[in-house]
Amino acid sequence: GDSVTQMEGPVTLSEEAFLTINCTYTATGYPSLFWYVQYPGEGLQLLLKATKADDKGSNKGFEATYRKETTSFHLEKGSVQVSDSAVYFCALVRIGGSNYKLTFGKGTLLTVNP
Amino acid sequence: NAGVTQTPKFQVLKTGQSMTLQCAQDMNHEYMSWYRQDPGMGLRLIHYSVGAGITDQGEVPNGYNVSRSTTEDFPLRLLSAAPSQTSVYFCASRPLRGAYNEQFFGPGTRLTVL
Repeated sequence: GDSVTQMEGPVTLSEEAFLTINCTYTATGYPSLFWYVQYPGEGLQLLLKATKADDKGSNKGFEATYRKETTSFHLEKGSVQVSDSAVYFCALVRIGGSNYKLTFGKGTLLTVNP
Repeated sequence: NAGVTQTPKFQVLKTGQSMTLQCAQDMNHEYMSWYRQDPGMGLRLIHYSVGAGITDQGEVPNGYNVSRSTTEDFPLRLLSAAPSQTSVYFCASRPLRGAYNEQFFGPGTRLTVL
């Protein structure tokens, strides 16, 4: 079945540091890939997405590129802020599936210190 | 638009009690779903619906019932709560058309079963 593996946290960085959160996936066909963010006490929000190979999703300074050859969708940000502290989830949905089920990774907790 | 709303935000039950978690959306989305979030396990799909009168099981449906009498509402019922159902529950919705559309998540219900 489909699966998503993302780097385990927690990740602790200082403000303005570079961030990478690794994500790899296993799926048949050509899934769409997503990064969701969950701020403390809140639900999940879509951060960015990519729908085909070599697509780059970007939002709020975060970027991720859909790499079919390495089945990866790593999240990066050049300079993190304290307000980026949250849990980040990598997810996929297989186009053509009947239930639009999002398959999630386990989540990575990011803490950014001033 | 209020988006996806969930009530209650917090609930404590005793083993064997029943309750209903409410979910409503005002975006006229055909697809609605329930996920549970457990530490270190990401989010897992419980049940989903592609329209009024149509529901189906996700990957962890045991112990939960759902119904979809209107487009707007998708309640989740626990008939006899068990400690294993202690979790955070998220409702989500999306339009069916547009394969790459994001799912919108509610703020969650934190349930503790004693």
